[in-house]
Amino acid sequence: GQQLNQSPQSMFIQEGEDVSMNCTSSSIFNTWLWYKQEPGEGPVLLIALYKAGELTSNGRLTAQFGITRKDSFLNISASIPSDVGIYFCAGLNSGGSNYKLTFGKGTLLTVNP
Amino acid sequence: DVKVTQSSRYLVKRTGEKVFLECVQDMDHENMFWYRQDPGLGLRLIYFSYDVKMKEKGDIPEGYSVSREKKERFSLILESASTNQTSMYLCASSTYQETQYFGPGTRLLVL
Repeated sequence: GQQLNQSPQSMFIQEGEDVSMNCTSSSIFNTWLWYKQEPGEGPVLLIALYKAGELTSNGRLTAQFGITRKDSFLNISASIPSDVGIYFCAGLNSGGSNYKLTFGKGTLLTVNP
Repeated sequence: DVKVTQSSRYLVKRTGEKVFLECVQDMDHENMFWYRQDPGLGLRLIYFSYDVKMKEKGDIPEGYSVSREKKERFSLILESASTNQTSMYLCASSTYQETQYFGPGTRLLVL
């Protein structure tokens, strides 16, 4: 199946720093989703984006749906140790019987206190 | 809040055993999904179901089957477990064309 190109693969930062990660695709998506997965747990939805150009915030997290509909960005401001985890982007095309998400391979975030 | 639960968090089975992984969601979602997650490979879709008794193959259905007899419950079956099926298994659910919500995962070890 198709994969999204997610970068960076991993990040090691100091507490308090801002973080940026992004996903790109050769295909257009109608919906972009960002999930966080902590060790031994399932992914938890952070932000959902439904419209090209949309900028949405959830606390210290901000995500944008790219104008071309082929990319999305997630920013975390003032990182804290509990931000540690793997962040996944996912694209969804709603329409017909296609309910399947296309996932990026994840960005592993480590925050040094 | 959407709740997706999986029957076991950790499971150890022997090669050749039949394995059942169960998933239940409480939000009356139409769609349910089974993924496996492996290091370096990300999440890969095994099967999904868009209605009771309906199923469709995902990207890696070989060696697996599924059952959906009730709307809230979606089972993944390993007919004869093999060591290469050692993995983290994740269940998810969604309403039509909407965001998927994941369960906590089952970490399966096949010896």
